[in-house]
Amino acid sequence: EIVLTQSPGTLSLSPGERATLSCRASQSVRSSYLAWYQQKPGQAPRLLIYGASGRATGVPDRFSGSGSGTDFTLTISRLEPEDFAVYYCQQYGTSPFTFGPGTKVDIK
Amino acid sequence: EVQLVESGGGLVKPGGSLRLSCAVSGSSFSIDNMSWARQAPGKGLEWVSSISAGSSYIYYADSVKGRFTISRDNAKNSLYLQMNSLGVEDTAVYYCGRGSSGDFRFDPWGQGTLVTVSS
Repeated sequence: EIVLTQSPGTLSLSPGERATLSCRASQSVRSSYLAWYQQKPGQAPRLLIYGASGRATGVPDRFSGSGSGTDFTLTISRLEPEDFAVYYCQQYGTSPFTFGPGTKVDIK
Repeated sequence: EVQLVESGGGLVKPGGSLRLSCAVSGSSFSIDNMSWARQAPGKGLEWVSSISAGSSYIYYADSVKGRFTISRDNAKNSLYLQMNSLGVEDTAVYYCGRGSSGDFRFDPWGQGTLVTVSS
């Protein structure tokens, strides 16, 4: 099983600041099948990034993904008020298609 | 616009069974891979099961293997999760998700249905 570790657990930032979230896999993720999701309280998650760096339909370009192999990053260039949420990574290349534990981005 | 609507959640006693459904509209369901994930109260996401477009490939998390069965009816644009031998640890919001024709991402997600296992 591929175990995903996300860091930090919580990121406290102000609107307008840059956010950098990390997702590290215990073994290489096949074909960079790595996704990032955003979840706000009381809502279902929403796909932001697929294939490590592909932006999903309708996702603002301030969100970007990078990485390959075992190290992946989600960057939010300038935080908007609506970006404060929990972010999960998921690898969907090898079953079981595991999720990371999440990074909470909250307002400083 | 693709929409997924889950149903079938509720309160069930330990050892009981429940069948969840996920109705899909606005997509070519028969060529899409589909999946279930769950989220226990206050916890993170847990992948549960996935099924390929033609049902040839089926995958389960170890935590549900042998108790849960995923299936689909492409004629009805519907995905199912039969859950047997439920335990309190299965209490969660269950989400269905659509993958692409080639992978098992979740895009989009349904709104979720709550399953509570309690005596």
